Amino acid sequence: EAGVAQSPRYKIIEKRQSVAFWCNPISGHATLYWYQQILGQGPKLLIQFQNNGVVDDSQLPKDRFSAERLKGVDSTLKIQPAKLEDSAVYLCASSHRRGSGNEQFFGPGTRLTVL
Amino acid sequence: AQTVTQSQPEMSVQEAETVTLSCTYDTSESDYYLFWYKQPPSRQMILVIRQEAYKQQNATENRFSVNFQKAAKSFSLKISDSQLGDAAMYFCAYRIHSGGGADGLTFGKGTHLIIQP
Repeated sequence: EAGVAQSPRYKIIEKRQSVAFWCNPISGHATLYWYQQILGQGPKLLIQFQNNGVVDDSQLPKDRFSAERLKGVDSTLKIQPAKLEDSAVYLCASSHRRGSGNEQFFGPGTRLTVL
Repeated sequence: AQTVTQSQPEMSVQEAETVTLSCTYDTSESDYYLFWYKQPPSRQMILVIRQEAYKQQNATENRFSVNFQKAAKSFSLKISDSQLGDAAMYFCAYRIHSGGGADGLTFGKGTHLIIQP
């Protein structure tokens, strides 16, 4: 079974530029999560999708971050414009369905550096 | 809001020895799940072990076991017979039992585990 795929793996941009990350969850997984992991910290949830609907985006900085999951499969996370403090690893995770005991499977992450 | 605290930024253990990683959490909920995740260097995060708060019995997965103290809000991970492949960042995480609603994980800051050969 293929795991969660993310691209690109690395991205370097200047502040105020825009950037987009892509995630392809495990086939059949209806729930998709984006986390932000700043160096030296644990991941922080940004947004959760169930199919193509948003379940929780309470920690998403909506003035600059946006995310979508068209057709309930792939998802993109965008930052526009980027700030220095956005430098982090962006992790995508998926699970078969909502339900607190269900395992979340994580992708390799996209490491973003904002100069 | 729920919080998860890992007070040990780094731990070191000799190969084949036993090590315990600490985690405390704060919540007003009575029904929730706790997890330990492993993040090897430059590799993706994987689930090590899971504990359901309503179960009194501590979870065990091969060499990995937990000591879950609900009243104290403590959830430690014990790794027995440590192996070189256990070297990684270990994250403690909490998730409310949402009944189908929002169920993102709340993570601690992690403990860097070093295995000395």
